[in-house]
Amino acid sequence: AQSVTQLGSHVSVSEGALVLLRCNYSSSVPPYLFWYVQYPNQGLQLLLKYTSAATLVKGINGFEAEFKKSETSFHLTKPSAHMSDAAEYFCAVYSPQGGKLIFGQGTELSVKP
Amino acid sequence: ETGVTQTPRHLVMGMTNKKSLKCEQHLGHNAMYWYKQSAKKPLELMFVYSLEERVENNSVPSRFSPECPNSSHLFLHLHTLQPEDSALYLCASSQGFAGGAFSRTEAFFGQGTRLTVV
Repeated sequence: AQSVTQLGSHVSVSEGALVLLRCNYSSSVPPYLFWYVQYPNQGLQLLLKYTSAATLVKGINGFEAEFKKSETSFHLTKPSAHMSDAAEYFCAVYSPQGGKLIFGQGTELSVKP
Repeated sequence: ETGVTQTPRHLVMGMTNKKSLKCEQHLGHNAMYWYKQSAKKPLELMFVYSLEERVENNSVPSRFSPECPNSSHLFLHLHTLQPEDSALYLCASSQGFAGGAFSRTEAFFGQGTRLTVV
């Protein structure tokens, strides 16, 4: 069965600092992994996805994530945080059983001036 | 704008009311989903429709009744809800449900309906 665990329900960084949001997955098959962002009172927007091509995936808004099979991780990073990055971020894995996305519990990112 | 539109954006209803949530996608996708997002909980998949047929029902209470009349529209009919059903209900769609083709695309989400049951 597929699952994801996001470490830390809340992360706070200063503007201009590195953003690191952690995600570990469990999958019985080669995983398809996703990061979504949710701004207040909005739906989810795809940031990036890993589908067994390059292990370093670049997404929108300067975010990227690296797939590390040995660590079963897919952490999200951004070199320099911006105030507009404040949102909730969700890691997800695709489950071929039922063709659905399994989401982590989410990490709320705060950016301090 | 993701191409998935949900109406209404906000809904307040009493426990004896009957209401419906609507989702519409103009992306040509063949799969649609209802998710429930409650505070401090992971997103919960409620229903999956592929080619207008329900393929998964994650033990959702019968007071939630989905309907998918065609590949572009998805409804969630609500009746005799409880206060704990208050949440953000998200609709999503994707292309290529079967055979792992999901990997070539992702799910597109609507902005959600914020439901409050009083």
